[in-house]
Amino acid sequence: TQLLEQSPQFLSIQEGENLTVYCNSSSVFSSLQWYRQEPGEGPVLLVTVVTGGEVKKLKRLTFQFGDARKDSSLHITAAQPGDTGLYLCAGAGGSNTGKLIFGQGTTLQVKP
Amino acid sequence: DTGVSQDPRHKITKRGQNVTFRCDPISEHNRLYWYRQTLGQGPEFLTYFQNEAQLEKSRLLSDRFSAERPKGSFSTLEIQRTEQGDSAMYLCASSLGTSRYFGPGTRLTVL
Repeated sequence: TQLLEQSPQFLSIQEGENLTVYCNSSSVFSSLQWYRQEPGEGPVLLVTVVTGGEVKKLKRLTFQFGDARKDSSLHITAAQPGDTGLYLCAGAGGSNTGKLIFGQGTTLQVKP
Repeated sequence: DTGVSQDPRHKITKRGQNVTFRCDPISEHNRLYWYRQTLGQGPEFLTYFQNEAQLEKSRLLSDRFSAERPKGSFSTLEIQRTEQGDSAMYLCASSLGTSRYFGPGTRLTVL
């Protein structure tokens, strides 16, 4: 069974601080996606990483896919209150399955 | 807006009733997925279609659940004889390649 462990589960920080969210597994994924979800809404795709060692930047967000494609991280620089939300990582098992395996999520609160 | 849409956004029903949800994917996407999400958890995979073919079903999808995508465009998810444990957010997603794009979800409450 493929599992994704996200850490931390909860994070409360002050505006301007940096943070990193981790997503770890013992399984290899063909790709990994990061989403942000607001209460009562569906997850919004932030990025997809497919190559081991890949680094992608989206403004103040930096995403990294581990060399072995088993883990990933999301780093936010100078967090802002608008970054508040639930961050989810999700791994895809391969081309013969449609299943995305989600982590349990990291709830981020950024206080002004 | 050409994103994934879901209808209704909210549904309250009594235990034992049947409910049906609709999902309209992004128009050129050939794959469509259904997920279920309960409070404090990440979404759990239910089933997926490539065009009109249902290619994979989770063990979470009991025989009270049925999904269809008759013309390879919109999809419906029906739950028969609803139970309180069915209360959750039902999410639909679509894709053409690797990236899945989610709709806003249907919040089901079974009383």
